[in-house]
Amino acid sequence: DAGVIQSPRHEVTEMGQEVTLRCKPISGHNSLFWYRQTMMRGLELLIYFNNNVPIDDSGMPEDRFSAKMPNASFSTLKIQPSEPRDSAVYFCASLGGNTIYFGEGSWLTVV
Amino acid sequence: DAKTTQPPSMDCAEGRAANLPCNHSTISGNEYVYWYRQIHSQGPQYIIHGLKNNETNEMASLIITEDRKSSTLILPHATLRDTAVYYCIVRSHSGGGADGLTFGKGTHLIIQP
Repeated sequence: DAGVIQSPRHEVTEMGQEVTLRCKPISGHNSLFWYRQTMMRGLELLIYFNNNVPIDDSGMPEDRFSAKMPNASFSTLKIQPSEPRDSAVYFCASLGGNTIYFGEGSWLTVV
Repeated sequence: DAKTTQPPSMDCAEGRAANLPCNHSTISGNEYVYWYRQIHSQGPQYIIHGLKNNETNEMASLIITEDRKSSTLILPHATLRDTAVYYCIVRSHSGGGADGLTFGKGTHLIIQP
């Protein structure tokens, strides 16, 4: 199994630009999570989907952040417009059985 | 807020058993104890989980006290590659099992050569 696949692995962008992070969950997993990790705040849950439907987006920091899951094998996290304080590692994870598996993360730097 | 308390850091000699404690005194009856670790620059990695019985797999053992208010993760023969931040998390399997993980600060385990 290829595990949870995220792209891009690294992105550097200028403030004000749109950023789209992508995630392919493990095949057969019905729940998908987006997390953000920073030195100051650690790992934070942003949003999760169950059967492609957003269940809880209370962790999404502001309206500049949006997430979609158009089908069971693909999700996106979009930031528009991006700001320097959005610089972080963004992790996608999927749930199989009772265990959550994480991707390797997308390292975002907004300058 | 995370429902667990862990020491911020620990050292262990290579080849020895690493015992990582975790307090979860407010754990409820349907919550499981999960352990993850995060090696620098990688995503969190699942290690083990349990409800009330002790558990063992190829990576580690999990010892849960009878009152379930604390647990210990044991890495039986630590290697340098076990240096990582270890997170103890309590999680319910209810709600369709889609509850996310709430991470605390974890324990930074450093394996000394």
